Amino acid sequence: ELKVEQNPLFLSMQEGKNYTIYCNYSTTSDRLYWYRQDPGKSLESLFVLLSNGAVKQEGRLMASLDTKARLSTLHITAAVHDLSATYFCAVDDITQGGSEKLVFGKGTKLTVNP
Amino acid sequence: DTGVSQDPRHKITKRGQNVTFRCDPISEHNRLYWYRQTLGQGPEFLTYFQNEAQLEKSRLLSDRFSAERPKGSFSTLEIQRTEQGDSAMYLCASSLKRGTGSYEQYFGPGTRLTVT
Repeated sequence: ELKVEQNPLFLSMQEGKNYTIYCNYSTTSDRLYWYRQDPGKSLESLFVLLSNGAVKQEGRLMASLDTKARLSTLHITAAVHDLSATYFCAVDDITQGGSEKLVFGKGTKLTVNP
Repeated sequence: DTGVSQDPRHKITKRGQNVTFRCDPISEHNRLYWYRQTLGQGPEFLTYFQNEAQLEKSRLLSDRFSAERPKGSFSTLEIQRTEQGDSAMYLCASSLKRGTGSYEQYFGPGTRLTVT
């Protein structure tokens, strides 16, 4: 059974600082997604990582994927308050008959303080 | 707006009542997924359709839950005899599956169910 673990689960950081969120998963997959969720809202897609070594950047966020280590990182550069949200990584569970359902981590609740 | 839509956005019901939610996917998408998200957790897979065929159901989907996608377009999720433990956000997502390619799932705004 595919398991996805994120850490940390809670992250409080100051504006201007850098930090990294980690996402580990337990079985082979080369498809990983990062989503953002604001309180009471649905999921907003941030990054789609489809191969080993994939790196994508958007603004102050950069995501990477190492399929050999079964690890993805979401790096935050010079955080600003607007980045405060919960961030989820999700992995395609491609082992169950091709459903490609997503298995999510528990999320990292990020708070950026002035 | 041509994204995934869900209706209603909020539903409050009394324990024991039946509720039905609707999801309209992005028009050309052939796959439709239902997930459930409880407070402080990530979404959990419930079931998915490829066109009108329901191809997988999670063990989370008890006999009180049923989902349909009658014409391969919109989908409904019905919960019978609701229980307080059913209180959650129900998320619908759609994607386009062609061949062996993998396509991103796009999520709707969700239906928040509160069972009192």
